[in-house]
Amino acid sequence: SAVISQKPSRDICQRGTSLTIQCQVDSQVTMMFWYRQQPGQSLTLIATANQGSEATYESGFVIDKFPISRPNLTFSTLTVSNMSPEDSSIYLCSVEERVVLSTGKVATEAFFGQGTRLTVV
Amino acid sequence: EDKVVQSPLSLVVHEGDTVTLNCSYEVTNFRSLLWYKQEKKAPTFLFMLTSSGIEKKSGRLSSILDKKELFSILNITATQTGDSAVYLCAVLRPSGTYKYIFGTGTRLKVLA
Repeated sequence: SAVISQKPSRDICQRGTSLTIQCQVDSQVTMMFWYRQQPGQSLTLIATANQGSEATYESGFVIDKFPISRPNLTFSTLTVSNMSPEDSSIYLCSVEERVVLSTGKVATEAFFGQGTRLTVV
Repeated sequence: EDKVVQSPLSLVVHEGDTVTLNCSYEVTNFRSLLWYKQEKKAPTFLFMLTSSGIEKKSGRLSSILDKKELFSILNITATQTGDSAVYLCAVLRPSGTYKYIFGTGTRLKVLA
């Protein structure tokens, strides 16, 4: 399975500032995913980052707030912009490995980086 | 609307107990169901289930899927304090790119 390095591991930031989270994979992957996990909540997909094209954002998330870069097939960044306390969450990057089922259909296994615990004060 | 519901939300047991965690789902175009263990921040992969009735086992953990009744269970036997974690259930459905729908998790605490 892919090895994913994510940093920073944690940060405490002032409101109104921005934080960029980095995610490095040890193999080339087509898509990288960014999730948010607010306190006591489940993982919510923010966006899908494809190399060479703009990221695809999920409902409720916009590029101005969460700009994403994907300069190559092993690296991506997520920026949390103009932060407020409501942005305090764990942010996770993820990659998927495809598995061909006995039925011939394709499923995937998602693997996650170590996560970034962001606290906005 | 697609949703994944886990129960119980939290559970406290003693070492040696057996626990059963539940995951029910309503997801269109279901492809697979995955279980993860989240101890601090990063979820670690446990099982992927795609077919009904086939039990997956890994040591003291096992899981099974019922695609007719739309649920899965995760069993942990002879629990240890190291099993304390949040257990997440996620369902994969194709949606342009593949998309996971995560449950809110079950927080398990195993007391010595």
